[in-house]
Amino acid sequence: AQSVTQPDIHITVSEGASLELRCNYSYGATPYLFWYVQSPGQGLQLLLKYFSGDTLVQGIKGFEAEFKRSQSSFNLRKPSVHWSDAAEYFCAVAAHNQGGKLIFGQGTELSVKP
Amino acid sequence: GAGVSQSPSNKVTEKGKDVELRCDPISGHTALYWYRQSLGQGLEFLIYFQGNSAPDKSGLPSDRFSAERTGGSVSTLTIQRTQQEDSAVYLCASRPGTGGISPLHFGNGTRLTVT
Repeated sequence: AQSVTQPDIHITVSEGASLELRCNYSYGATPYLFWYVQSPGQGLQLLLKYFSGDTLVQGIKGFEAEFKRSQSSFNLRKPSVHWSDAAEYFCAVAAHNQGGKLIFGQGTELSVKP
Repeated sequence: GAGVSQSPSNKVTEKGKDVELRCDPISGHTALYWYRQSLGQGLEFLIYFQGNSAPDKSGLPSDRFSAERTGGSVSTLTIQRTQQEDSAVYLCASRPGTGGISPLHFGNGTRLTVT
């Protein structure tokens, strides 16, 4: 069965600094991969997705993620963090044959220092 | 609005009582999912509906949990004889459900507190 691991429960970065949130997945074939963000009191919003093709995908709010098959990773990056990026970030994987059911990691909470 | 709507937004109930949580998916979305988000945990898959097919109930944690989807639209998640460990945010999501994988659209959730 597929699974997702986000090794960092909580990360703090300074505003303007770069950011990388780690995500590792377990799945036998090429997965569908997603990053969602959950701001306080808000629902989950899709940041970006990877289905196939170019392994570097661009998302909203200046985020990008790179699929690395050899490392079973799909890390999320942003070159310069803004205070409004403080939120919880979830990585998720979907299997091709399970009706789009997403399996989520435990999330990484991002705090931004002024 | 055009988003996934969940009600109530908050629910406080006493241990042992039954609760019903409602989800209105985006119009035209045939696939509907329920997830549970407990404090400090990720999102735990509960159940999935696709059109008229039998639902995927593989994530339901016990037989106290059930869900139905009437008319291929609104869904109700029922928890019987609630326990304190049922306290969590229950999230509903929907997607078009046709032609490959499309992202899930989530509602804002129902925060359930069992006292």
